[in-house]
Amino acid sequence: AQKITQTQPGMFVQEKEAVTLDCTYDTSDQSYGLFWYKQPSSGEMIFLIYQGSYDEQNATEGRYSLNFQKARKSANLVISASQLGDSAMYFCAMRLNSGNTPLVFGKGTRLSVIA
Amino acid sequence: EAQVTQNPRYLITVTGKKLTVTCSQNMNHEYMSWYRQDPGLGLRQIYYSMNVEVTDKGDVPEGYKVSRKEKRNFPLILESPSPNQTSLYFCASSLTRGLTYNEQFFGPGTRLTVL
Repeated sequence: AQKITQTQPGMFVQEKEAVTLDCTYDTSDQSYGLFWYKQPSSGEMIFLIYQGSYDEQNATEGRYSLNFQKARKSANLVISASQLGDSAMYFCAMRLNSGNTPLVFGKGTRLSVIA
Repeated sequence: EAQVTQNPRYLITVTGKKLTVTCSQNMNHEYMSWYRQDPGLGLRQIYYSMNVEVTDKGDVPEGYKVSRKEKRNFPLILESPSPNQTSLYFCASSLTRGLTYNEQFFGPGTRLTVL
């Protein structure tokens, strides 16, 4: 069964600086997708970025980029130029592209951006 | 506007009183699922549905029921709620679970407290 590990329960970053949120995953499948979601204090889940296991380039979406290292099974989220509004819970998730396996989430990292 | 809606958003109830949390999506998505979010555990899948009349258990199905009579609706039923079902619940939908990228859209969440 696949597993997602986020080892940082909480992180602090200064406004305008970059921050990396760690995510490692475990699966024996070769075809899968990796996702990052943001959950602000209001509670909704906001999709940020996606990386397919066969994508050769790291995904980017505005200030978000995904540092995908397949051999190390890591999919770290990099947020550049942090803003106060980035303070939230961040979840890494993975879904296999075969079978009926669910979207599996890590336990999350709480990011606090300091002015 | 493409969205997933859930009702109610907040609910306080007592042990044993049957309740239903509704979920509806307007994107003609085949795949729908329910998650619960608990502190320190991330999101865990309760049930999912591949299409109308096709449902299956996720990781934590005990104490829950679902139905999928129409494509747009996927209600979550707690026949006899217990305090350990106090949680934040999310409904989500996506096009399919196929090989291509499929963003999973989340509803706003339902915060349930069982006394």
